[in-house]
Amino acid sequence: DAKTTQPTSMDCAEGRAANLPCNHSTISGNEYVYWYRQIHSQGPQYIIHGLKNNETNEMASLIITEDRKSSTLILPHATLRDTAVYYCIVRFDTGRRALTFGSGTRLQVQP
Amino acid sequence: GAGVSQSPSNKVTEKGKDVELRCDPISGHTALYWYRQSLGQGLEFLIYFQGNSAPDKSGLPSDRFSAERTGGSVSTLTIQRTQQEDSAVYLCASSSNRAGAHNEQFFGPGTRLTVL
Repeated sequence: DAKTTQPTSMDCAEGRAANLPCNHSTISGNEYVYWYRQIHSQGPQYIIHGLKNNETNEMASLIITEDRKSSTLILPHATLRDTAVYYCIVRFDTGRRALTFGSGTRLQVQP
Repeated sequence: GAGVSQSPSNKVTEKGKDVELRCDPISGHTALYWYRQSLGQGLEFLIYFQGNSAPDKSGLPSDRFSAERTGGSVSTLTIQRTQQEDSAVYLCASSSNRAGAHNEQFFGPGTRLTVL
C-alpha cells in the first residue's frame, strides 16, 4: 500500500470547514483513498473513501486531485465532537485486508 | 444492531501472567481483525481472520501472542507471560468482506491492558 503524509496537527474554529490534506504521491491506479478518524478513547471510525472522483456523504467530502497524488478531507461545519485524529490510508483492494495506519492528523476544533 | 464489543474494557495484570482478551464481532461479519495501540503510537495490525481460512498472523510480535476464533464469531486474543511492553489498547474490528465490494471495518472500544 502507498505511503501517506499528513500534517501532525491542525486547529479549526467551531462551525467553520476543516480541510485535512493528505499526500500520497506514490499511489497506483488501483489504490483507494480511505479516511478514518479516532476520537479520544474510542476505536477508529470509517469516514469516507474514493478512487478517482470526489465523494460526499453525511459526514464529509473527499476531494482527490486529478493526478491522484493528494487528497483533502473536508468537514463542512466542524463541531467540538469532530476533535479527533484523522487517518488517511491508501490501499489496493476493496478492503479485505488489515488497515495500515500512519500517525494521522490531530484535529482540534476550538470553541 | 449491536456493534463490536470487547471485554474486559480494562485489564491490569502482573508481569509474567497470562491474559485473555475477548472480541464479539458484528453478527454476520466474516472478517475479524486485532490491532494494538501503544501509548502515543499508531495502530499496529496483529492478526486477521477471514471465514474458515487460515488466519493471517503476520502482525503478531512474538510467539507469546496467539488468537483463535471459535465458530466464526467470537475471538480471543491470548498473551502469555505478559511483559511491560505489552501494555497497550487492544482493538478488535470486523467487516463483512463481501467480494468485490467496499468493506468498512467497524471497531470495538478496545481493551486497555496494563502490565505492572
